[in-house]
Amino acid sequence: DSGVTQTPKHLITATGQRVTLRCSPRSGDLSVYWYQQSLDQGLQFLIQYYNGEERAKGNILERFSAQQFPDLHSELNLSSLELGDSALYFCASSSSRGGTEAFFGQGTRLTVV
Amino acid sequence: AQKITQTQPGMFVQEKEAVTLDCTYDTSDPSYGLFWYKQPSSGEMIFLIYQGSYDQQNATEGRYSLNFQKARKSANLVISASQLGDSAMYFCAMREGDSSYKLIFGSGTRLLVRP
Repeated sequence: DSGVTQTPKHLITATGQRVTLRCSPRSGDLSVYWYQQSLDQGLQFLIQYYNGEERAKGNILERFSAQQFPDLHSELNLSSLELGDSALYFCASSSSRGGTEAFFGQGTRLTVV
Repeated sequence: AQKITQTQPGMFVQEKEAVTLDCTYDTSDPSYGLFWYKQPSSGEMIFLIYQGSYDQQNATEGRYSLNFQKARKSANLVISASQLGDSAMYFCAMREGDSSYKLIFGSGTRLLVRP
């Protein structure tokens, strides 16, 4: 168990809908990272938050947004969903802005039908 | 631009033998970190090993070791004494600098351990 908790584990929704994925980092970790793993794009970095502030942005679509709350949990909001958004979404956390390892959650498998 | 290349889509290894998974990288940043992750069929990403660009010695973690050849820009993962539970996808990843955990991942290698 990595200590990073993601909910829900599975999510099935229709095109055009909006969903929220939740991540609770390991106790004490200030950084949260979101990644998307899809069959065609592989594993891609989406966005990083450090202590509530956005620190780095990757290939995140405008339809997607994220935030980190004062208690350090993070949410990834996906709107106007398309079939191509079906993927495994990972959250990872680390104790600092960098470090030698980050701990990944179990992932949320999103299926858009 | 950063790039991670894993040229072996799939590999087989006999149980109890050693196997090397290849990874090459490209970066212009002198400070970077290299990671290997294991992803079993259940889907979770499991951290295996880390190598910093300034580390003088190759990293080792139990049965895992990283063959770091800086001049060749390669960071191959060596798994010794393979076990059936090692069957999984393996990803090589790189982080530029040390102020973020933005990782660039390779396409992965699927390892199958034969009994």
